[in-house]
Amino acid sequence: DAKTTQPPSMDCAEGRAANLPCNHSTISGNEYVYWYRQIHSQGPQYIIHGLKNNETNEMASLIITEDRKSSTLILPHATLRDTAVYYCIVRADNYGQNFVFGPGTRLSVLP
Amino acid sequence: DTGVSQNPRHKITKRGQNVTFRCDPISEHNRLYWYRQTLGQGPEFLTYFQNEAQLEKSRLLSDRFSAERPKGSFSTLEIQRTEQGDSAMYLCASSLDRVNYGYTFGSGTRLTVV
Repeated sequence: DAKTTQPPSMDCAEGRAANLPCNHSTISGNEYVYWYRQIHSQGPQYIIHGLKNNETNEMASLIITEDRKSSTLILPHATLRDTAVYYCIVRADNYGQNFVFGPGTRLSVLP
Repeated sequence: DTGVSQNPRHKITKRGQNVTFRCDPISEHNRLYWYRQTLGQGPEFLTYFQNEAQLEKSRLLSDRFSAERPKGSFSTLEIQRTEQGDSAMYLCASSLDRVNYGYTFGSGTRLTVV
């Protein structure tokens, strides 16, 4: 079973920041938080991951709370092409551990 | 490198027929994963290979399903005696043999059993 909970859907206006929350209250010390997204009819695409520090790359920023029980993915300037299902996943840094996907958050970026 | 390639993109088959899908991972990735995704759900893990060795299989992988990766490069997933419940998107992903490393997914094969 997925170890995260996410809202089923969110809307965001084009050009505004999209903030996608994720709860992972049972996360353990060696588990990373990963974010993927899936645009219709494509495979999931890696976005970003982190352990406890905030992370930023060319796609997004990841803010992890100090107690690591929740995180937020931030798309700073959402475009229509960011409309997708966003998955938050926790995974330990063990060899062979697989990604367990939940239903994710369906983000709709509106013009 | 063109990423993870899956063929065919779409497959329609009659119930009871056998089907085979192919996945070509990123060339330097020695781990390969198969997932299945039904409408409105997140992908579900089926099986994974490290090089040519199949190291884990989900209970979702019934005895009608078989996966191979004969030379540690491409992989095939075969479904025998297909059932309507097998209709889904079958996704392949690959990664390096390294902790703290994400997957690269292919675009999937959409199977429709009629």
